[in-house]
Amino acid sequence: NAGVTQTPKFQVLKTGQSMTLQCAQDMNHNSMYWYRQDPGMGLRLIYYSASEGTTDKGEVPNGYNVSRLNKREFSLRLESAAPSQTSVYFCASSEIGQGQEAFFGQGTRLTVV
Amino acid sequence: GENVEQHPSTLSVQEGDSAVIKCTYSDSASNYFPWYKQELGKGPQLIIDIRSNVGEKKDQRIAVTLNKTAKHFSLHITETQPEDSAVYFCAASPNQAGTALIFGKGTTLSVSS
Repeated sequence: NAGVTQTPKFQVLKTGQSMTLQCAQDMNHNSMYWYRQDPGMGLRLIYYSASEGTTDKGEVPNGYNVSRLNKREFSLRLESAAPSQTSVYFCASSEIGQGQEAFFGQGTRLTVV
Repeated sequence: GENVEQHPSTLSVQEGDSAVIKCTYSDSASNYFPWYKQELGKGPQLIIDIRSNVGEKKDQRIAVTLNKTAKHFSLHITETQPEDSAVYFCAASPNQAGTALIFGKGTTLSVSS
């Protein structure tokens, strides 16, 4: 039972490069989320997808785009990485109506130099 | 939107003592309040949650209390053990389709033996 799987686990980018963080869940959840975690800032919501085909901005969406590819997969794209995007990124999924317990992946540690 | 404040940011206790972490929220529509524990290098994991129709919930050494009138909720850990050392996050949500968990900034709990 894998739960929520994120790839890659670690990544170093140069300023201006682009990349896509991948996330997949096997719990048949409708809702998926991307958070970033920075020291002293907690977990901040970047984007979320309440169901397949919908996406909404969270607290800190600037510089990011997302794609809900299907019910299982939700990707986060950095088009032109900046040092301010150095962070640990977490993907999560949940099912509204089942308490909205969010299950998190192991995180992607991204460094932009 | 929802804003969640969490205090203290760090907490050090002796093994066997109790630990209390407090959170306040701003959106009166929020009705789901989970607590997550994050160990080093891992994603957050749910440890206990409470809904607005309940004032208190216990699970072994962990308890959560909710005061909807004052918009605050607290995590209580009794008989702390070294393995309780971690970062703890509170969160709040209206638990409706199209919404997401908003997290506090976290509390780093250190339990010394």
